[in-house]
Amino acid sequence: EAGVTQFPSHSVIEKGQTVTLRCDPISGHDNLYWYRRVMGKEIKFLLHFVKESKQDESGMPNNRFLAERTGGTYSTLKVQPAELEDSGVYFCASSQVSGPSDGYTFGSGTRLTVV
Amino acid sequence: DQQVKQNSPSLSVQEGRISILNCDYTNSMFDYFLWYKKYPAEGPTFLISISSIKDKNEDGRFTVFLNKSAKHLSLHIVPSQPGDSAVYFCAASWGGSEKLVFGKGTKLTVNP
Repeated sequence: EAGVTQFPSHSVIEKGQTVTLRCDPISGHDNLYWYRRVMGKEIKFLLHFVKESKQDESGMPNNRFLAERTGGTYSTLKVQPAELEDSGVYFCASSQVSGPSDGYTFGSGTRLTVV
Repeated sequence: DQQVKQNSPSLSVQEGRISILNCDYTNSMFDYFLWYKKYPAEGPTFLISISSIKDKNEDGRFTVFLNKSAKHLSLHIVPSQPGDSAVYFCAASWGGSEKLVFGKGTKLTVNP
């Protein structure tokens, strides 16, 4: 089966611009997560979708970040306007069952650089 | 206020020997712990997990030990292989929450 797909793999944008990251989860996985790793730091939770509904968005840093999952399939994460501190690797993960017991399947990430 | 700490940024071991990666946590509510392995330019890959009702879980060459009183867990890899060279992340969750709290990772290098 295809894994979790993220694109673009890399994005370099100027401060103030808008960027949209996309994640295609494994087919049939109702749970979709976004995480972010800022250079040298821990991987941090951003939010969790169950189908098209936001189950937990407590990790979203501020209102410049908007996540959507229309139709409960792929998800997008938009950053508008981007700031320098938004640079990092954005990971998407999906799972079939609720709870972390199956460990989730992560995508390869999108490396965002804001200059 | 890092709740999951991996205090060793790196570890180097010889092929065939044991690798021991350590993780400490501060939140006593954590009840499920996971280890992930990450290669460069790839996402983290689930390796092994343990529930707080256990103190040990094995899967092939990988064993995770949990010491709840010390709020400490460790991952043992025996024998270590060059292909095990990667960054290892410790993660924790609580109360069935979907949210994982990660440590900063430990880069393991296994030398041939």
